Amino acid sequence: DTGVSQNPRHKITKRGQNVTFRCDPISEHNRLYWYRQTLGQGPEFLTYFQNEAQLEKSRLLSDRFSAERPKGSFSTLEIQRTEQGDSAMYLCASSFRDNPYEQYFGPGTRLTVT
Amino acid sequence: GEDVEQSLFLSVREGDSSVINCTYTDSSSTYLYWYKQEPGAGLQLLTYIFSNMDMKQDQRLTVLLNKKDKHLSLRIADTQTGDSAIYFCAESIESSTGTASKLTFGTGTRLQVTL
Repeated sequence: DTGVSQNPRHKITKRGQNVTFRCDPISEHNRLYWYRQTLGQGPEFLTYFQNEAQLEKSRLLSDRFSAERPKGSFSTLEIQRTEQGDSAMYLCASSFRDNPYEQYFGPGTRLTVT
Repeated sequence: GEDVEQSLFLSVREGDSSVINCTYTDSSSTYLYWYKQEPGAGLQLLTYIFSNMDMKQDQRLTVLLNKKDKHLSLRIADTQTGDSAIYFCAESIESSTGTASKLTFGTGTRLQVTL
C-alpha cells in the first residue's frame, strides 16, 4: 500500500500524559499536513510542512502541541499534558510538489483522553 | 473570513441522483473540493474544481460551481449503497507562496442510500 500511513490508529491515554503520533506520507510528496477532526465536524487545519520546514501553524495549535518533520519524510505530532478536549481524530495528509492542490489523507489516529 | 456550510443529511433511493450542496464565504478561494469519508476511515479525495471553471464531470460525479453565489454542488448519478458516507466540501486559498496550502472544510453531509 503506497498511501499515507499513520501510527498508532488508536491511542487511549490518561489526562496529563504526553502522546506522540507518526505520519508517513506518500513517497516523494514534499508537503505534509496535520488536521484534527472532532465528532460531527469537518477536519480543522493544524499545521503543514514543505519538506522539513514548518510553513504555517493554526492558532488551534497551542503550546502543548508540537510537530516536526526532521528529514522531510515522516512527521510526528506530540501533545504534552493531554486534556480531555484533545480527544479527536488526528489526520495527516500529503501532496506532491508538481500538484500541490491534491491532498491525500491517511486513516487517522483516534485519540481518547480519559 | 473562511466559512463553509453544508446541510447535515440527505436520503436518496438507490438508482436516483443525489445532489449535495455547499456554500462558502471566501471569494478568494482558488480550488473547491469534495471528499468522502466512510465510518472510521480517513478522507478520500473525490474531485475538485478550479475557481475559474463552472462545471467538472468525472464518471458518475458532476461538480457545479456558481462563483457569484459562492455555491458548490456535487451530483452523484445512479446512487449506489456504496455511496453511503459523509461528504465534505472544502476550499483552499492560494498562499503567499503562490500555491494552495490548508483546506477549510464544511461540517459534512451524511448521505444515506436506501433500497
